[in-house]
Amino acid sequence: EVQLVQSGAEVKKPGESLKISCQGSGYSFSIYWIAWVRQMPGKGLEWMGIIYPGDSDTRYSPSFQGQVTISADKSINTAYLQWSSLEAADTAMYYCARMSRGCDYWGQGTLVTVAA
Amino acid sequence: EIVMTQSPATLSVSPGERATLSCRASQSVSSNLAWYQQKLGQAPRLLIYGASTRATGIPARFRGSGSGTEFTLTISSLQSEDFAVYHCQQYNSWPPERGWTFGQGTKVEIK
Repeated sequence: EVQLVQSGAEVKKPGESLKISCQGSGYSFSIYWIAWVRQMPGKGLEWMGIIYPGDSDTRYSPSFQGQVTISADKSINTAYLQWSSLEAADTAMYYCARMSRGCDYWGQGTLVTVAA
Repeated sequence: EIVMTQSPATLSVSPGERATLSCRASQSVSSNLAWYQQKLGQAPRLLIYGASTRATGIPARFRGSGSGTEFTLTISSLQSEDFAVYHCQQYNSWPPERGWTFGQGTKVEIK
């Protein structure tokens, strides 16, 4: 069974750093692109960027370039999304998803709350 | 960036009735269009890919159609579990340098 399991909810202060994870199982993790998607409270889905775990080829949506860093460790079937300095506007649910004719499997989401 | 526009924003439908949701792309995406269902507090679930192919386990009452810039998701007879938000997404470019953009969503609510 294909699964993407994300790390738990986080509460952070503005200016803090954060790295959340997405671990895949039940398939060959290295050969499928993984996407990160943001959903702000009460809003739609926003495409942040993607990574190919096999060689860590990474692409960012222009809206998120320079704002976050996407990485992966194929040895442990895990992709990451990180911030160096969080802002209140980063408060959102973040999903990882496997890319294959759309996004066919999704993680359960990681809620990130940034508040003073 | 390809802009995806969904209409209506909210659709009020009685159980058993048909629901028709629209999605328009700002430029042609061929048939590289997916539909997702998202229930409150849950992750999105893939319903349709390739504009018209149902994903594994998706009931036949969900039907996708269209190509180019105009797409439709039809739910033939709404069941209680179908009341949710529906998102469309284009995945025309590979790799997606400019993003596989989503529409803003259509909420299907009980009338």
